[in-house]
Amino acid sequence: EAGVVQSPRYKIIEKKQPVAFWCNPISGHNTLYWYRQNLGQGPELLIRYENEEAVDDSQLPKDRFSAERLKGVDSTLKIQPAELGDSAVYLCASSQSGTAQETQYFGPGTRLLVL
Amino acid sequence: GEDVEQSLFLSVREGDSSVINCTYTDSSSTYLYWYKQEPGAGLQLLTYIFSNMDMKQDQRLTVLLNKKDKHLSLRIADTQTGDSAIYFCAEIRWQGGKLIFGQGTELSVKP
Repeated sequence: EAGVVQSPRYKIIEKKQPVAFWCNPISGHNTLYWYRQNLGQGPELLIRYENEEAVDDSQLPKDRFSAERLKGVDSTLKIQPAELGDSAVYLCASSQSGTAQETQYFGPGTRLLVL
Repeated sequence: GEDVEQSLFLSVREGDSSVINCTYTDSSSTYLYWYKQEPGAGLQLLTYIFSNMDMKQDQRLTVLLNKKDKHLSLRIADTQTGDSAIYFCAEIRWQGGKLIFGQGTELSVKP
């Protein structure tokens, strides 16, 4: 079974440019998460989807960040415009609701460098 | 608060046991997890423990949970050079909620 797929793996952009990240969760997982991991830190949640509904976006900087999960499968996270402080690893995770522990499985991440 | 604390570094010799410690603050945590992150990679789930358990063993891994002290540990027996990575503990407060991660412990295994 394929794991969580993310693309691109690496992205280098200049500040003020837009950037988008894509995530394909594990088949059958209805919950999808976007986390941001700053250098030397643990990941922090940006947004959580249950199917196509964003049920927790309290940590998403809505002035420049947006996300969507059309049809409740793939998801896209966008930053426009990017700032220097957005340099980080953006991790996507998915889980299957209804299981006892709803374990979250992570993709390899997209490493963003804003110059 | 939402703090999950870990020591930053641990160095051991190959073949020794490694013990990585974690403390958390919220007594309502339901599950606690250990993830492993190798350089340039995502997070790999190692194991988890339900909050009403004291211990869980899975091959070379042993998880101990002290709910009274809000202390979690991961013991790796017969540590190998391939175990060198950053280890994150994380808690979750309710099913489907967000994971709260510690800052990670970098394990270095010397031959």
